[in-house]
Amino acid sequence: DAGVTQSPTHLIKTRGQHVTLRCSPISGHKSVSWYQQVLGQGPQFIFQYYEKEERGRGNFPDRFSARQFPNYSSELNVNALLLGDSALYLCASSWEGGGNQPQHFGDGTRLSIL
Amino acid sequence: GESVGLHLPTLSVQEGDNSIINCAYSNSASDYFIWYKQESGKGPQFIIDIRSNMDKRQGQRVTVLLNKTVKHLSLQIAATQPGDSAVYFCAEKSSNDYKLSFGAGTTVTVRA
Repeated sequence: DAGVTQSPTHLIKTRGQHVTLRCSPISGHKSVSWYQQVLGQGPQFIFQYYEKEERGRGNFPDRFSARQFPNYSSELNVNALLLGDSALYLCASSWEGGGNQPQHFGDGTRLSIL
Repeated sequence: GESVGLHLPTLSVQEGDNSIINCAYSNSASDYFIWYKQESGKGPQFIIDIRSNMDKRQGQRVTVLLNKTVKHLSLQIAATQPGDSAVYFCAEKSSNDYKLSFGAGTTVTVRA
């Protein structure tokens, strides 16, 4: 079975631009979470979506937004990119949003801001 | 008294030896814990999880220990292999929250 897939794998943007990152969850999983991982640190929670609704949001500015589609795939959008947005963006899926169950991660999108 | 394992950012282990990776968590409301392994250029890979109603859980070559009294988690890897070289993260979650909160990570290097 396919795991969590993310696209693109790498992306280079300049300051002020916007970016859209995409994620397809594991088949059967209805929840998608987004994390930002800066080099040398653990992932930081950005959003969680379940059944197309936002269930949780981390401490990120409004420049970050996301949505989930009827097929449970998801997009993360970041506007007005800053140098500090350079990071690995990870998507994780799980069966449902809450409860105690593992989140399974994709290999991420490496975003570099010039 | 009981000693609490220190979190070390790096750990060097001889191939074939056992590894112990420690993690201190912060939220007393956390009731679910996961260990992830992250290799270079890849996303975190699920290793093993444990719920707060358990003290110990075993998987294939791995054991997770949970001490809720001192808010400490450890991952033991038996007979460490070169393929175990990676960064290991512990993550915590509470039932009434949706996010995973990750620790600082420990880089494990296996010496041949």
